[in-house]
Amino acid sequence: QSVLTQPPSASGTPGQRVTISCSGSSSNIGSNYVYWYQQLPGTAPKLLIYRNNQRPSGVPDRFSGSKSGTSASLAISGLRSEDEADYYCAAWDDSLSAYWVFGGGTKLTVL
Amino acid sequence: QVQLVESGGGVVQPGRSLRLSCAASGFTFSSYAMHWVRQAPGKGLEWVTVISYDGSNKYYADSVKGRFTISRDNSKNTLYLQMNSLRAEDTAVYYCARDSSLEATTVTTMDYFDYWGQGTLVTVSS
Repeated sequence: QSVLTQPPSASGTPGQRVTISCSGSSSNIGSNYVYWYQQLPGTAPKLLIYRNNQRPSGVPDRFSGSKSGTSASLAISGLRSEDEADYYCAAWDDSLSAYWVFGGGTKLTVL
Repeated sequence: QVQLVESGGGVVQPGRSLRLSCAASGFTFSSYAMHWVRQAPGKGLEWVTVISYDGSNKYYADSVKGRFTISRDNSKNTLYLQMNSLRAEDTAVYYCARDSSLEATTVTTMDYFDYWGQGTLVTVSS
């Protein structure tokens, strides 16, 4: 059971805009930054968004992040076939039982 | 470019031990905290442990506390994970990851995982 809640799957057609949600609580998303990672099939996770809405160099501006209260979202516009991957949200958690927590991941399918 | 290469995974019986290594290159290893994150087959990511840049502070997830030990050798640019009393639920791909903060000593000064290795598979089975 992941601390952060994501839908298990999402889908879209090429060119479409897709959003993936991530829900948490006051001890994680509500009081800390949110990060997003992309994991292409058979590869290691890659940083996609940091500090809620910042993109590392090399990440296309088709990817954007936002946060409101205890929830966050990742939006992908102009969907491309190579965006088909698993996406994970993450955040620091202020509780004593965990420090960094993840969502269960969302598998994005490009139809 | 930053490169992290894990090794040491394999099949081990429950209750036994295993040590993982992560060889770092392309950056000043001794200036960054380092994490281990794992992913059970077909499952999501789980943070396991972190060590400060100088090795002075270590933090663990409850699921591995008392069984796993993180360490580093800055002279060899290598991170380690000693895993004892292994259980079936420890079966996962183990990734090492760099913390984005420079010279972070305590968990409150650490930030996010900016670079990841390719992972090494640990299977705990009799």
